[in-house]
Order: sequence, then structure tokens, then C-alpha cells
Amino acid sequence: DVKVTQSSRYLVKRTGEKVFLECVQDMDHENMFWYRQDPGLGLRLIYFSYDVKMKEKGDIPEGYSVSREKKERFSLILESASTNQTSMYLCASKSFNQPQHFGDGTRLSIL
Amino acid sequence: EDQVTQSPEALRLQEGESSSLNCSYTVSGLRGLFWYRQDPGKGPEFLFTLYSAGEEKEKERLKATLTKKESFLHITAPKPEDSATYLCAVQVNNAGNMLTFGGGTRLMVKP
Repeated sequence: DVKVTQSSRYLVKRTGEKVFLECVQDMDHENMFWYRQDPGLGLRLIYFSYDVKMKEKGDIPEGYSVSREKKERFSLILESASTNQTSMYLCASKSFNQPQHFGDGTRLSIL
Repeated sequence: EDQVTQSPEALRLQEGESSSLNCSYTVSGLRGLFWYRQDPGKGPEFLFTLYSAGEEKEKERLKATLTKKESFLHITAPKPEDSATYLCAVQVNNAGNMLTFGGGTRLMVKP
């Protein structure tokens, strides 16, 4: 079974802080993704990566950056957190011709 | 622009009352359509992938079908444990591994 682990289930941070969300997968998948999920807006893709040190912008990359130094780990960085970044953040990974598998999410609150 | 619309937004059923969820899509070229189930506080869990019109997939009380414009998730004799949000997503030919999600249908099955 694919396991995608997100480091925190709940996180509370202050406006202006630099925030790191971590995601680890144990299946040697090439592709990893970061989404945010908001009521009424569904899942929206922030960034994805198809290989180590490679990244591509998704639909809503503004205010975020990512890091993929090792194949199994994909980090989402909020450079200067703002209240409109309060959301549920979901990480996913996939291999070639397989569906995306998701972690259980990090519920982030920015105060 | 690729669009995915799910209906209804919410559906209440009595245990044993069969029904269908709809996912209609407008895309440039469909590569695959995915159904996921999401329980509260959890990440989406993969259910099915459909690739071409006429294809059907089944799993327990769930059956997914695909036409050129829409997909249906049929739920036969649902049980309370089928209560969840069901998400539909499409992968299109010129978008690599990216998925576009619909807004989801929240299903509640009463005993």
C-alpha cells in the first residue's frame, strides 16, 4: 500500500511567519503534488514535482514555494504566511500510469 | 479552459435507497477520469479510473460509468458507512500528470 505522510495534522502560525509543510512518500514515486482544499473551491493545485530538484507551478502558486531535495520528500513553503492561506493542505504522489495517492492533510490556521 | 462540475452538491439517502452522482466535464482531450472518496479530516482515497466512453468499473456497492461528456457514480443499496464526499477529477492530454477536480458531492446515508 502506498503511504503518503504529512508531518502535521494541525498547525497554527502567525501572519508573516515562514511556514514549512512536509510530505514523505514511501513508494519511490517520481511525481509529487501539493494542493489546497477550501469549501466551495474544491482542490486546487499549488505546485508539483516530477523529479528531484524539478518543480512546476500549478494553478495557484502565488505566495508559495516548494523544495524537493530527495525523491521521497516534497516540502511546501509559505514564505510570509497570510490569513488567506488558512486552509487544508493535501500532498499526493504517483508513479507512471498510476492514480495519485493522497496524505491525510495538514489543517493550517494563520492568525 | 478545462472544467469539471459535480452534482448534486449534497445528497441525503435512506439506507438501501440507490442513487447516482454526476460528474460532467468539458476538456480539450480526456486522458482519464478519476473518482475518489474523502472522509472528514482525511485525504481523498482512490476508487476508480475510467479512460474511454463506455467503460465501467465496479467495487462493492459502487459502479462508475463514463460517456463523452460525463461520468456517473452509481451507489446501489447504500449503507451509512458509504457516507463521505465523492470527488471526481480529470486528467487531460496536454497537462501531464495534473488533475482538475470537481467540487465534490457530499453523500449522507441515514440508517
